Amino acid sequence: QVQLVQSGAEVKKPGSSVKVSCKASGGTFNTYTITWVRQAPGQGLEWMGRIIPILDITNYARKFQGRVTITADKSTTTAYMELSSLRSEDTAVYFCARIYCSGNACHFDSWGQGTLVTVSS
Amino acid sequence: QTVVTQEPSFSVSPGGTVTLTCGLNSGSVSTSHYPSWYQQTPGQAPRTLIYNTNTRSSGVPDRFSGSILGNKAALTITGAQADDECDYYCVLYMGSAIWVFGGGTKLTVL
Repeated sequence: QVQLVQSGAEVKKPGSSVKVSCKASGGTFNTYTITWVRQAPGQGLEWMGRIIPILDITNYARKFQGRVTITADKSTTTAYMELSSLRSEDTAVYFCARIYCSGNACHFDSWGQGTLVTVSS
Repeated sequence: QTVVTQEPSFSVSPGGTVTLTCGLNSGSVSTSHYPSWYQQTPGQAPRTLIYNTNTRSSGVPDRFSGSILGNKAALTITGAQADDECDYYCVLYMGSAIWVFGGGTKLTVL
Protein backbone atom coordinates (compact mmCIF):
# COMPACT_ATOMS: atom_id res chain seq x y z
CA GLN A 1 0.00 0.00 0.00
CA VAL A 2 1.47 3.30 -1.12
CA GLN A 3 1.61 6.03 1.50
CA LEU A 4 2.46 9.64 0.76
CA VAL A 5 3.31 11.94 3.65
CA GLN A 6 3.73 15.63 2.98
CA SER A 7 5.59 18.35 4.82
CA GLY A 8 3.88 20.79 7.12
CA ALA A 9 2.09 24.07 6.54
CA GLU A 10 4.06 27.08 5.30
CA VAL A 11 3.57 30.83 5.45
CA LYS A 12 5.42 32.77 2.78
CA LYS A 13 5.83 36.37 1.70
CA PRO A 14 4.78 37.48 -1.77
CA GLY A 15 7.63 37.12 -4.23
CA SER A 16 9.31 34.30 -2.32
CA SER A 17 9.38 30.57 -3.06
CA VAL A 18 8.05 27.52 -1.29
CA LYS A 19 9.19 23.92 -1.50
CA VAL A 20 6.81 21.18 -0.39
CA SER A 21 7.93 17.60 0.09
CA CYS A 22 6.10 14.32 -0.38
CA LYS A 23 7.71 11.22 1.10
CA ALA A 24 6.61 7.90 -0.38
CA SER A 25 6.60 4.53 1.31
CA GLY A 26 5.30 1.16 0.22
CA GLY A 27 5.71 -0.09 -3.29
CA THR A 28 8.77 0.70 -5.37
CA PHE A 29 9.55 4.39 -5.77
CA ASN A 30 11.40 3.78 -9.01
CA THR A 31 8.16 2.64 -10.59
CA TYR A 32 6.20 5.70 -9.44
CA THR A 33 5.01 8.77 -11.21
CA ILE A 34 4.20 11.58 -8.77
CA THR A 35 1.88 14.43 -9.56
CA TRP A 36 1.02 17.67 -7.77
CA VAL A 37 -2.45 19.14 -7.49
CA ARG A 38 -3.53 22.28 -5.67
CA GLN A 39 -6.77 23.60 -4.25
CA ALA A 40 -7.30 27.25 -3.39
CA PRO A 41 -9.71 28.00 -0.54
CA GLY A 42 -13.26 27.17 -1.60
CA GLN A 43 -12.11 26.29 -5.11
CA GLY A 44 -11.64 23.15 -7.17
CA LEU A 45 -8.67 20.92 -7.77
CA GLU A 46 -6.03 22.08 -10.25
CA TRP A 47 -3.38 19.85 -11.86
CA MET A 48 0.11 21.34 -11.75
CA GLY A 49 2.55 18.81 -13.10
CA ARG A 50 4.18 15.43 -12.71
CA ILE A 51 7.53 13.71 -12.48
CA ILE A 52 8.76 10.25 -13.35
CA PRO A 53 11.59 9.96 -10.81
CA ILE A 54 13.48 7.13 -12.42
CA LEU A 55 13.73 9.04 -15.68
CA ASP A 56 13.74 12.54 -14.20
CA ILE A 57 11.10 13.52 -16.74
CA THR A 58 8.76 16.34 -15.81
CA ASN A 59 5.66 17.81 -17.40
CA TYR A 60 3.87 20.93 -16.22
CA ALA A 61 0.52 22.55 -16.78
CA ARG A 62 0.93 25.56 -19.05
CA LYS A 63 -0.34 27.86 -16.32
CA PHE A 64 2.60 27.01 -14.07
CA GLN A 65 5.38 26.70 -16.67
CA GLY A 66 8.38 28.70 -15.57
CA ARG A 67 7.21 29.03 -11.99
CA VAL A 68 6.98 25.45 -10.77
CA THR A 69 9.73 22.88 -10.47
CA ILE A 70 9.03 19.28 -9.52
CA THR A 71 11.96 17.15 -8.48
CA ALA A 72 12.53 13.81 -6.81
CA ASP A 73 15.23 12.28 -4.66
CA LYS A 74 15.30 8.56 -5.31
CA SER A 75 17.60 7.92 -2.35
CA THR A 76 14.99 9.22 0.10
CA THR A 77 11.91 8.33 -2.00
CA THR A 78 10.78 11.92 -1.73
CA ALA A 79 9.27 14.18 -4.35
CA TYR A 80 9.31 17.96 -4.15
CA MET A 81 7.27 20.77 -5.61
CA GLU A 82 8.80 24.23 -5.61
CA LEU A 83 6.71 27.23 -6.61
CA SER A 84 8.42 30.57 -7.07
CA SER A 85 7.34 34.22 -7.36
CA LEU A 86 4.53 33.54 -4.94
CA ARG A 87 1.47 35.74 -4.94
CA SER A 88 -1.64 35.77 -2.79
CA GLU A 89 -3.52 33.69 -5.37
CA ASP A 90 -1.09 30.83 -4.68
CA THR A 91 -2.56 30.39 -1.22
CA ALA A 92 -3.86 26.85 -1.42
CA VAL A 93 -3.59 23.30 -0.17
CA TYR A 94 -1.05 21.43 -2.26
CA PHE A 95 -1.50 17.68 -2.69
CA CYS A 96 0.87 15.10 -4.08
CA ALA A 97 -0.52 11.91 -5.55
CA ARG A 98 0.81 8.83 -7.24
CA ILE A 99 -0.16 8.29 -10.83
CA TYR A 100 -0.79 4.64 -11.49
CA CYS A 101 -0.86 3.49 -15.10
CA SER A 102 -2.08 0.32 -16.69
CA GLY A 103 -0.95 0.69 -20.27
CA ASN A 104 -2.04 4.16 -21.34
CA ALA A 105 -4.82 4.34 -18.73
CA CYS A 106 -3.50 6.37 -15.82
CA HIS A 107 -5.17 7.75 -12.72
CA PHE A 108 -4.26 9.27 -9.38
CA ASP A 109 -4.52 6.36 -6.98
CA SER A 110 -2.91 7.44 -3.69
CA TRP A 111 -2.88 10.90 -2.20
CA GLY A 112 -0.86 12.78 0.35
CA GLN A 113 -2.64 14.55 3.16
CA GLY A 114 -2.13 18.00 1.69
CA THR A 115 0.05 20.96 2.68
CA LEU A 116 -1.41 24.41 3.27
CA VAL A 117 0.69 27.18 1.80
CA THR A 118 -0.36 30.68 2.82
CA VAL A 119 1.05 33.65 0.94
CA SER A 120 0.70 36.82 2.94
CA SER A 121 2.65 39.98 3.58
CA GLN B 1 -7.58 26.62 -23.65
CA THR B 2 -9.00 23.27 -22.61
CA VAL B 3 -11.84 23.53 -20.13
CA VAL B 4 -13.36 20.47 -18.50
CA THR B 5 -16.94 21.15 -17.56
CA GLN B 6 -18.98 19.78 -14.67
CA GLU B 7 -22.28 20.81 -13.18
CA PRO B 8 -21.46 23.22 -10.31
CA SER B 9 -24.09 21.64 -8.11
CA PHE B 10 -26.62 18.85 -8.09
CA SER B 11 -29.27 17.60 -5.72
CA VAL B 12 -30.51 14.08 -5.15
CA SER B 13 -32.99 12.57 -2.74
CA PRO B 14 -31.83 9.88 -0.35
CA GLY B 15 -32.12 6.56 -2.17
CA GLY B 16 -32.32 8.29 -5.51
CA THR B 17 -30.10 8.09 -8.56
CA VAL B 18 -28.00 10.93 -9.89
CA THR B 19 -25.70 11.22 -12.89
CA LEU B 20 -22.92 13.78 -12.86
CA THR B 21 -21.24 14.62 -16.14
CA CYS B 22 -17.82 15.69 -17.33
CA GLY B 23 -17.48 17.39 -20.69
CA LEU B 24 -15.10 19.41 -22.81
CA ASN B 25 -15.56 22.99 -23.96
CA SER B 26 -14.48 21.84 -27.40
CA GLY B 27 -15.01 18.31 -28.56
CA SER B 28 -16.28 15.10 -27.03
CA VAL B 29 -15.02 13.08 -24.14
CA SER B 30 -14.07 9.54 -25.10
CA THR B 31 -12.46 6.56 -23.43
CA SER B 32 -9.15 7.84 -24.82
CA HIS B 33 -9.31 10.61 -22.22
CA TYR B 34 -9.25 7.83 -19.57
CA PRO B 35 -11.72 9.74 -17.39
CA SER B 36 -11.40 9.30 -13.66
CA TRP B 37 -13.56 10.49 -10.79
CA TYR B 38 -12.63 11.63 -7.30
CA GLN B 39 -14.70 12.27 -4.21
CA GLN B 40 -13.69 14.93 -1.72
CA THR B 41 -15.13 15.85 1.64
CA PRO B 42 -14.18 19.23 3.13
CA GLY B 43 -10.68 19.36 4.57
CA GLN B 44 -9.75 15.95 3.23
CA ALA B 45 -7.63 14.67 0.38
CA PRO B 46 -9.55 13.38 -2.62
CA ARG B 47 -10.52 9.73 -2.78
CA THR B 48 -10.37 7.84 -6.05
CA LEU B 49 -13.76 6.45 -7.08
CA ILE B 50 -13.59 5.50 -10.75
CA TYR B 51 -10.75 5.28 -13.26
CA ASN B 52 -10.33 4.37 -16.89
CA THR B 53 -13.94 5.44 -17.53
CA ASN B 54 -15.69 2.70 -15.58
CA THR B 55 -13.33 0.80 -13.25
CA ARG B 56 -14.15 1.17 -9.58
CA SER B 57 -11.26 1.75 -7.24
CA SER B 58 -10.68 -0.76 -4.48
CA GLY B 59 -13.30 -0.53 -1.74
CA VAL B 60 -15.69 1.69 -3.69
CA PRO B 61 -19.28 0.41 -3.46
CA ASP B 62 -20.92 -0.76 -6.67
CA ARG B 63 -23.56 1.95 -6.44
CA PHE B 64 -20.90 4.19 -8.01
CA SER B 65 -20.44 3.59 -11.71
CA GLY B 66 -18.75 5.36 -14.58
CA SER B 67 -19.55 5.52 -18.25
CA ILE B 68 -19.53 7.61 -21.40
CA LEU B 69 -22.93 9.14 -22.06
CA GLY B 70 -23.16 10.87 -25.38
CA ASN B 71 -20.17 13.17 -25.61
CA LYS B 72 -19.41 13.27 -21.89
CA ALA B 73 -18.04 11.08 -19.15
CA ALA B 74 -20.56 10.30 -16.46
CA LEU B 75 -20.58 9.25 -12.83
CA THR B 76 -23.79 7.64 -11.67
CA ILE B 77 -24.67 7.14 -8.04
CA THR B 78 -27.57 4.82 -7.39
CA GLY B 79 -29.22 4.63 -4.00
CA ALA B 80 -27.69 7.92 -2.82
CA GLN B 81 -26.82 8.08 0.85
CA ALA B 82 -26.32 11.01 3.18
CA ASP B 83 -22.58 10.55 3.26
CA ASP B 84 -22.42 10.87 -0.52
CA GLU B 85 -22.95 14.58 0.05
CA CYS B 86 -19.60 16.08 -0.91
CA ASP B 87 -17.66 17.30 -3.95
CA TYR B 88 -16.97 15.23 -7.03
CA TYR B 89 -14.22 15.93 -9.56
CA CYS B 90 -13.45 14.39 -12.89
CA VAL B 91 -10.04 14.38 -14.53
CA LEU B 92 -9.34 13.93 -18.22
CA TYR B 93 -6.07 12.96 -19.83
CA MET B 94 -5.35 15.39 -22.65
CA GLY B 95 -2.31 13.64 -24.10
CA SER B 96 1.35 14.63 -23.83
CA ALA B 97 1.33 13.86 -20.09
CA ILE B 98 -1.17 16.62 -19.33
CA TRP B 99 -4.24 16.15 -17.15
CA VAL B 100 -7.06 18.62 -16.55
CA PHE B 101 -9.55 18.64 -13.69
CA GLY B 102 -13.14 19.64 -14.05
CA GLY B 103 -14.42 22.40 -11.83
CA GLY B 104 -16.16 19.93 -9.53
CA THR B 105 -19.77 19.24 -8.63
CA LYS B 106 -21.12 19.86 -5.17
CA LEU B 107 -23.66 17.12 -4.48
CA THR B 108 -26.43 17.68 -1.98
CA VAL B 109 -28.45 14.75 -0.66
CA LEU B 110 -31.78 15.94 0.65
